[in-house]
This record gives sequence, C-alpha cells and structure tokens, in this order.
Amino acid sequence: EAGVTQFPSHSVIEKGQTVTLRCDPISGHDNLYWYRRVMGKEIKFLLHFVKESKQDESGMPNNRFLAERTGGTYSTLKVQPAELEDSGVYFCASSLMNTGELFFGEGSRLTVL
Amino acid sequence: AQSVSQHNHHVILSEAASLELGCNYSYGGTVNLFWYVQYPGQHLQLLLKYFSGDPLVKGIKGFEAEFIKSKFSFNLRKPSVQWSDTAEYFCAVKDNTDKLIFGTGTRLQVFP
Repeated sequence: EAGVTQFPSHSVIEKGQTVTLRCDPISGHDNLYWYRRVMGKEIKFLLHFVKESKQDESGMPNNRFLAERTGGTYSTLKVQPAELEDSGVYFCASSLMNTGELFFGEGSRLTVL
Repeated sequence: AQSVSQHNHHVILSEAASLELGCNYSYGGTVNLFWYVQYPGQHLQLLLKYFSGDPLVKGIKGFEAEFIKSKFSFNLRKPSVQWSDTAEYFCAVKDNTDKLIFGTGTRLQVFP
C-alpha cells in the first residue's frame, strides 16, 4: 500500500514568488493534515481537512497560505507571495476517521531566498 | 493552549547505553500520547502510542514509554541503544480537537 506522498521534495524560490505543494494521502483516509517545521523549532499544526471540508485551520499563519482539497482526495497548499520566514519543511499526514495514528509523508522542503 | 516540552534537544550516546528522553505536556484533560521518530532521510513514523490502560507502553524496536498522569509526563526509554537508533524523536499529544501538538524534537546520535 502506498504511503503519503508529497511533491516537490524540495523547492527553492525567490521572495514574492508562488509555490504550490501537493499531498496525496493514503487511499481511504478522510483526515488530512498539514504541518510545518521551521528549522530547529517544533512541528506546528497548520490545518486539518475531513474529506474536502476544512475542519480546523487555526494554525494557518496568514492569508498568503491557501489550502484546498477538492474532491476529498489530494490536497494542495499554496503560498503566495512567499516570504523569507515561510522557509521550512511542510509535512502532510493522513489518518482514518476516529483513529489516533497519523501517517506522515516525507515532507516538502521550501527555501525562500 | 496545549504544549509539549522535550527537555533534551541533543543526546549523544555510545552503543549499548541506556536512553531516556523526557516529555511533558500541559493539557489537563484526557489525552492521547505519541512518540514519533524520523530517521535520516525518511518520513516521520510512529514508535508507540498511549490511549488508555496500562501506562507502560511497548513500541517498536525495543522502545517503551511510561505515562505518569500526576507528572504530565510520557518519557521514552530504551535499555540499550544501537547505532541504527540515530534519529530525531518527537513527543506529541492529541487533544479533543483531533490535532497533534508536537514538541521541539530530540536529536539522538549513537556512536559505535
């Protein structure tokens, strides 16, 4: 069974540009989460989808970040325009409903110059 | 707000040494507790979890953790580490809002 896949694995962009990160969860997992880790800090929650609905987006830093999950399958996280402080590793995770275990992707490393 | 503290940021051990990584959380309600590990170049994976029942939880690769409710702690232990345990370890708590709150992580280096 395929795990959570994320694309791209690494993206280097200049300040002001746009980047879109993609996450494909494990098939059948209704829960999808985005997290971010800035260097040396904790892994911080960004938002949580249940199917195509945003259940909790309390962790989204500001309105430059837009997450979508059309059709309740894969999700995208767009950063527009990117700022230097957006650099970090963006993790996606998925889980079945009413279970505790999250399955993580390998992360997308974003570097904003 | 809930928070998780991992006091050891970087631990260096020799093979066969014993390991204990501290984890404390601030949430006072019913919690689910987790330890995740990230080996170099790999994704985060679950080591063990506590939901209820026996507070001493056994995980993969010989790891265990003990939930002590009165101390708000969930420390990770392994009696004898191996070089292959070199990784970053994250403690996390899941509250009633269904999201995981992570600690800052502990980087473990094991030398042969």
